[in-house]
Amino acid sequence: QQQVKQSPQSLIVQKGGISIINCAYENTAFDYFPWYQQFPGKGPALLIAIRPDVSEKKEGRFTISFNKSAKQFSLHIMDSQPGDSATYFCAASGGSNYKLTFGKGTLLTVNP
Amino acid sequence: KAGVTQTPRYLIKTRGQQVTLSCSPISGHRSVSWYQQTPGQGLQFLFEYFSETQRNKGNFPGRFSGRQFSNSRSEMNVSTLELGDSALYLCASSLAPVSGNTIYFGEGSWLTVV
Repeated sequence: QQQVKQSPQSLIVQKGGISIINCAYENTAFDYFPWYQQFPGKGPALLIAIRPDVSEKKEGRFTISFNKSAKQFSLHIMDSQPGDSATYFCAASGGSNYKLTFGKGTLLTVNP
Repeated sequence: KAGVTQTPRYLIKTRGQQVTLSCSPISGHRSVSWYQQTPGQGLQFLFEYFSETQRNKGNFPGRFSGRQFSNSRSEMNVSTLELGDSALYLCASSLAPVSGNTIYFGEGSWLTVV
């Protein structure tokens, strides 16, 4: 059972555009929702994270929007740059189980 | 501060052999978890250790095992390797196994089974 569903699988955006990646979860016990960025040959690195007590969190060009009632959260990358080209993973954890459950990932390509 | 260190970075093994991967967590981190990453299945949780005790285990066969030492360093072992075990194995560490604590990943060990 996939507990975190991520879409789209791949995304191509022009430089300066907005990249949007969506995730939906099923487990209402989840209380921590991080996004990880992974470049080829590297391990995933934490990008930004949110807890359900806020609906939005912004760090620079990266924003997480969170909809608790819909059990959905999304990553928005404003003014996308070629250096943002990477694979992005949403994840969730919480309850008695602190391990991260990951989405399948989104391969983002930002064309110059 | 050094990050999570994994060794070896790349290895090739033959079907039926066994392999041991090593992980040194960030200094002061006592929780270590392991994930398998493949193109088809994405990132899948293998197991998690805290204070030398396995606290959590993912849905993997018994061929996959691990342990943690008193200095928080961890090893994972895969016995009787199968072709499908070819993957990137990622180790991650955090201060403690509490939801919300940032989990830091190493660069992984690339295992190819031939």
